[in-house]
Amino acid sequence: DAGITQSPRHKVTETGTPVTLRCHQTENHRYMYWYRQDPGHGLRLIHYSYGVKDTDKGEVSDGYSVSRSKTEDFLLTLESATSSQTSVYFCAISESTGTGGREQYFGPGTRLTVT
Amino acid sequence: AQSVTQPDIHITVSEGASLELRCNYSYGATPYLFWYVQSPGQGLQLLLKYFSGDTLVQGIKGFEAEFKRSQSSFNLRKPSVHWSDAAEYFCAVGARFGNEKLTFGTGTRLTIIP
Repeated sequence: DAGITQSPRHKVTETGTPVTLRCHQTENHRYMYWYRQDPGHGLRLIHYSYGVKDTDKGEVSDGYSVSRSKTEDFLLTLESATSSQTSVYFCAISESTGTGGREQYFGPGTRLTVT
Repeated sequence: AQSVTQPDIHITVSEGASLELRCNYSYGATPYLFWYVQSPGQGLQLLLKYFSGDTLVQGIKGFEAEFKRSQSSFNLRKPSVHWSDAAEYFCAVGARFGNEKLTFGTGTRLTIIP
């Protein structure tokens, strides 16, 4: 299994509070991704990173920000959590070669509930 | 941009029966194609992938998938399912050039009955 950990694994927070989720990898892969998974929607990309300090938006980036100060860590921040951000969040990594979308390896997920 | 459709939301099969899960994609050229499996409360695990070459690809856990360009499909098959195959299955498509992202289908939930 790819060395990917996510923390926390479960979190309950109140509307309006900031939340940061952490993804840590030990594979030294260049690309890291944050997805959210909701029933009926599959996985939707929030943000991704193609290197330290290099990030870009996915299809559902509103209300989320990310940072990557080290190769191994990719942080997802909800600046002011809303109930619509209740979801399961997955981090993924990929050693893409610059020639297209290669396979990604996923972490165990973080279940976030916003009350 | 690429897209992928999994037309079956939920499939139920008997243990020991054969299985086929459907996946159709939209992309202007031959894409990279993947199948993932997710057990309850777990992350996604890569079952198999197609990049090029032989259109019938073998994966882990006895699964295989066949790329059919003429039908824009990449269906997942298994000749005989086991109760442990009950899970959710996701098809994903990746662009062959430039775009380092994958697009996932909405998933097919597989139930196995004894």
